Amino acid sequence: KQEVTQIPAALSVPEGENLVLNCSFTDSAIYNLQWFRQDPGKGLTSLLLIQSSQREQTSGRLNASLDKSSGRSTLYIAASQPGDSATYLCAVLTGANSKLTFGKGITLSVRP
Amino acid sequence: NAGVTQTPKFRILKIGQSMTLQCTQDMNHNYMYWYRQDPGMGLKLIYYSVGAGITDKGEVPNGYNVSRSTTEDFPLRLELAAPSQTSVYFCASSQRDVSNQPQHFGDGTRLSIL
Repeated sequence: KQEVTQIPAALSVPEGENLVLNCSFTDSAIYNLQWFRQDPGKGLTSLLLIQSSQREQTSGRLNASLDKSSGRSTLYIAASQPGDSATYLCAVLTGANSKLTFGKGITLSVRP
Repeated sequence: NAGVTQTPKFRILKIGQSMTLQCTQDMNHNYMYWYRQDPGMGLKLIYYSVGAGITDKGEVPNGYNVSRSTTEDFPLRLELAAPSQTSVYFCASSQRDVSNQPQHFGDGTRLSIL
């Protein structure tokens, strides 16, 4: 059974800091890995999707990497801003019916 | 730019009541999903559908039912509501090629069973 782990559960950093959010998964037979952002009281917004054959994806100040063999992904946020404060969830797509398995998320707070 | 629309946004039910959570998408996506999110937890898949007339169970289907009569709509029904079903429910959709297409989420329905 696929399990996705995100540690720590919460993180607080000062504005301007570069930071890395980690995600690990137990079954390397994945179709893709997705990073989502969730603001309080809102749904999930897709940030980046890395297909199993890819190593990384970039969007603006965000860069996500994937090491499928070791079951790890990182989300790098450059020059963090207070507007980046949110919960970041990692999810992997696996299985014959292409189901997403989610981690519990990392709640990020960027202090002005 | 409606995307995935869920109604209602909030609801309080009494134990034993039933209700239907509505979900509709305007992106012509084949795949649709229902998840629940409990505090401090990741999302768990309840049911999913790969097209009209086709549904299948996810990880936590007990106490719920779904139907998919059209491409756009994927309602979730709770029969005999129980306190354990207090949660935030999210509907999502994606295109057929799930390997390189992200899921799009609604804003959720916050449901309390008292």
